[in-house]
Amino acid sequence: ETGVTQSPTHLIKTRGQQVTLRCSSQSGHNTVSWYQQALGQGPQFIFQYYREEENGRGNFPPRFSGLQFPNYSSELNVNALELDDSALYLCASSRPGGVGNIQYFGAGTRLSVL
Amino acid sequence: DQQVKQNSPSLSVQEGRISILNCDYTNSMFDYFLWYKKYPAEGPTFLISISSIKDKNEDGRFTVFLNKSAKHLSLHIVPSQPGDSAVYFCAATGTGGSQGNLIFGKGTKLSVKP
Repeated sequence: ETGVTQSPTHLIKTRGQQVTLRCSSQSGHNTVSWYQQALGQGPQFIFQYYREEENGRGNFPPRFSGLQFPNYSSELNVNALELDDSALYLCASSRPGGVGNIQYFGAGTRLSVL
Repeated sequence: DQQVKQNSPSLSVQEGRISILNCDYTNSMFDYFLWYKKYPAEGPTFLISISSIKDKNEDGRFTVFLNKSAKHLSLHIVPSQPGDSAVYFCAATGTGGSQGNLIFGKGTKLSVKP
């Protein structure tokens, strides 16, 4: 069984640029969530996708957007990058009917905005 | 306003002894609580969870206790091993199902000394 994979592992961008991060969900999982983890903080929920539709969103501006594809993989897009967007971006997947909302995380993409 | 709080940034224990990690929450609507472990350069790994209708859940060396009246939960690791050294995150969810976001604390860094 393949776990959650994210690409790239590291990324350096400059302020104002746009970035796309990618995530492949664990086999059999149809729900993907994205989190931002700043240094010294816990992961913060950005949004969730279920069956290719956004299914909940945290307190992030519209320049954070996403997609989910028919194979349940997902993208996170961030436009007009700001210095504060520097963080670890984590993708998590969960299976349908799972009790307790257990989410399985990838290793993350480390984004640095200069 | 933090809904999930881990007030101890770090904890150091001797190998073989008990590790107790604490977590407080403010929202009485949470219905599941989860603990994740995170090693450097890896994503958070699910450890153990507890439903709000229970007060204890045990899995091998790991036991989670929930005190709803105090809005407090704790993770006990007995006996502690050097490989348990990691950052531990407490998380809560309020959907009662398989979707929805996890709300994380800031984490506690556990160091288990040989």
